[in-house]
Amino acid sequence: SQKIEQNSEALNIQEGKTATLTCNYTNYSPAYLQWYRQDPGRGPVFLLLIRENEKEKRKERLKVTFDTTLKQSLFHITASQPADSATYLCALGRRDSNYQLIWGAGTKLIIKP
Amino acid sequence: DADVTQTPRNRITKTGKRIMLECSQTKGHDRMYWYRQDPGLGLQLIYYSFDVKDINKGEISDGYSVSRQAQAKFSLSLESAIPNQTALYFCATSEARGQGATQYFGPGTRLTVL
Repeated sequence: SQKIEQNSEALNIQEGKTATLTCNYTNYSPAYLQWYRQDPGRGPVFLLLIRENEKEKRKERLKVTFDTTLKQSLFHITASQPADSATYLCALGRRDSNYQLIWGAGTKLIIKP
Repeated sequence: DADVTQTPRNRITKTGKRIMLECSQTKGHDRMYWYRQDPGLGLQLIYYSFDVKDINKGEISDGYSVSRQAQAKFSLSLESAIPNQTALYFCATSEARGQGATQYFGPGTRLTVL
């Protein structure tokens, strides 16, 4: 079956360290992958997009990698801050379905002061 | 989130009742989406609309219907609510352009069906 997996357990990171979140997928041929942030009681907010022919994208303290051989994307937050605490969702854009997004369940990130 | 609004924000209803969730957007986007979110699961697409005359079923459309009244308005109806439709519902919009268009989400509607 087709699925996207993100760590279901919360990730606890000390402030100032780098947080790394993982998104694995099976049986997809994604055209691109997006990362979103979701705070409690709020809708997801877009962070970064990476396309299938790109290895890495950066935006300020955020970095995303995309390895289509491993079928994996890594999302890094450097110099993490308590305000980075949230749930992070990955979403794949399928080339065979009007580019509709297939979503992971998200990983909760907790940055401790 | 203020660009995409959803009403109501919370709703408790009983099995068998008809419920309508409304979504409005001021972003001027052609594409609109309805998702549900359940604990431990990814967002699941219920319906999507690429313009007023183009409405498509998503992966879990059974038990739901939609209406695109205007470019800015997209409503989701539960004709006869059942308890397993208890979930958090999100409306989203995106621009009508190529691959990878960002989706902009509303604040969500928490629906409880007793």
